[in-house]
Amino acid sequence: DAGVTQSPTHLIKTRGQQVTLRCSPISGHKSVSWYQQVLGQGPQFIFQYYEKEERGRGNFPDRFSARQFPNYSSELNVNALLLGDSALYLCASSQLAGVSEQYFGPGTRLTVT
Amino acid sequence: AQKITQTQPGMFVQEKEAVTLDCTYDTSDPSYGLFWYKQPSSGEMIFLIYQGSYDQQNATEGRYSLNFQKARKSANLVISASQLGDSAMYFCAMRDSNDYKLSFGAGTTVTVRA
Repeated sequence: DAGVTQSPTHLIKTRGQQVTLRCSPISGHKSVSWYQQVLGQGPQFIFQYYEKEERGRGNFPDRFSARQFPNYSSELNVNALLLGDSALYLCASSQLAGVSEQYFGPGTRLTVT
Repeated sequence: AQKITQTQPGMFVQEKEAVTLDCTYDTSDPSYGLFWYKQPSSGEMIFLIYQGSYDQQNATEGRYSLNFQKARKSANLVISASQLGDSAMYFCAMRDSNDYKLSFGAGTTVTVRA
């Protein structure tokens, strides 16, 4: 079975631009979470979606938004990019929204110049 | 608020030896889950092992075992018979029943020497 997939793998953007990152969960998983990992730190929670509804949001500005589609794939959008948005963006899927194992994708490495 | 503490920024271990990675946590929720992930230089977070707060036995998965001491709020990961491929960053994480997110520690870098 395919694991969590993310696209693109790498991305370079300029300050002020907008970016869309994509994630496809493991087949059968209905929950998708997004995390931001700045170099040298642990991942920080951005959003969780379950059955196409937002179930949780981390301490991130409104420039960050996300959505989940009927096939449970998800997009993370970041507007008005700042240099500090440079990070590895990780998507994780799980069967349920509660306490259960989350499986991560390979991540999208975003560089903002 | 949840808090995960990993006090060892980096560790060296000889091939075939065991290594213990420390993790302490803080939560007021009696129902929670503890996770360990491995992150190689490629960046992907690889799930290793899970321990539920009500589990009576310590979790084991192959060469990985979790030393769960609930009263001390400790969830240390033990890697037995270290291999060169175990060289990576290791993260401890927690999720309680009132939250949807995983809260991660700062991580411990493990370097296995031949």
